[in-house]
Amino acid sequence: DAGITQSPRHKVTETGTPVTLRCHQTENHRYMYWYRQDPGHGLRLIHYSYGVKDTDKGEVSDGYSVSRSKTEDFLLTLESATSSQTSVYFCATLEGYEQYFGPGTRLTVT
Amino acid sequence: SQQGEEDPQALSIQEGENATMNCSYKTSINNLQWYRQNSGRGLVHLILIRSNEREKHSGRLRVTLDTSKKSSSLLITASRAADTASYFCATPSNDYKLSFGAGTTVTVRA
Repeated sequence: DAGITQSPRHKVTETGTPVTLRCHQTENHRYMYWYRQDPGHGLRLIHYSYGVKDTDKGEVSDGYSVSRSKTEDFLLTLESATSSQTSVYFCATLEGYEQYFGPGTRLTVT
Repeated sequence: SQQGEEDPQALSIQEGENATMNCSYKTSINNLQWYRQNSGRGLVHLILIRSNEREKHSGRLRVTLDTSKKSSSLLITASRAADTASYFCATPSNDYKLSFGAGTTVTVRA
C-alpha cells in the first residue's frame, strides 16, 4: 500500500456523532485524496489536498471537512454522521500520474 | 461525476481463459489508467496508456486505447485464481485528479 495507513480500519458510530478518519503517508507525496466507495458508484472524490493547509472540495463534499497540518497526515471529519455516510473510505496519494491507495476504513453509521 | 464506465459489470471465467473488459469515457484525455482492487483492499495501479499509444503490454495484461471511439479495453490472458478482483478504469479530470468508473468484477473459477 505504498506507505499509506488509515485509522481506524473499522468504525461503528451513531447518527449525529462527529467522526474523524486519519490517513498517514510516509512517501512525502504532495497530493492526498479522500474517496468514498459505494456499490454501483465506484470511487467518488470527497476532498483533496495539494499541500499543507491547502485543500479543495471534490464531487461529494457535503457533510465532510478535511485538514492537513503536516505533509504526512490528512484528516477527514464527518461533522455529524448520517446513515448515508455509511461507506468504505479510501485515502490516496499521487506520484506522477499514479495514485496509491490506503487499505480503507469501513464506517457504519447506525 | 464518473468519466469512465466499465463493461461488463461482472465477468465469470474459467482458470486459464482470457478476460476482456471495456471502458468508455466522455471527454478527451491525455492518458487512461487501469487499477485492480482485491476484496477488502485498496486499489492498485496496473497500467497507464497515453493518448498517443494504441496498445500497451505488462506481463499478462494488454491494454488498448481508441481515442476516436473514446474507449479502452483491458485483456487479462491465461487467468489465474489470483486475478479475481474488481478492475477500474480511471481518466484524469486534470493533472492531479482522477475519475473512476464503477468497475468490472472478475471471478476466476478453478
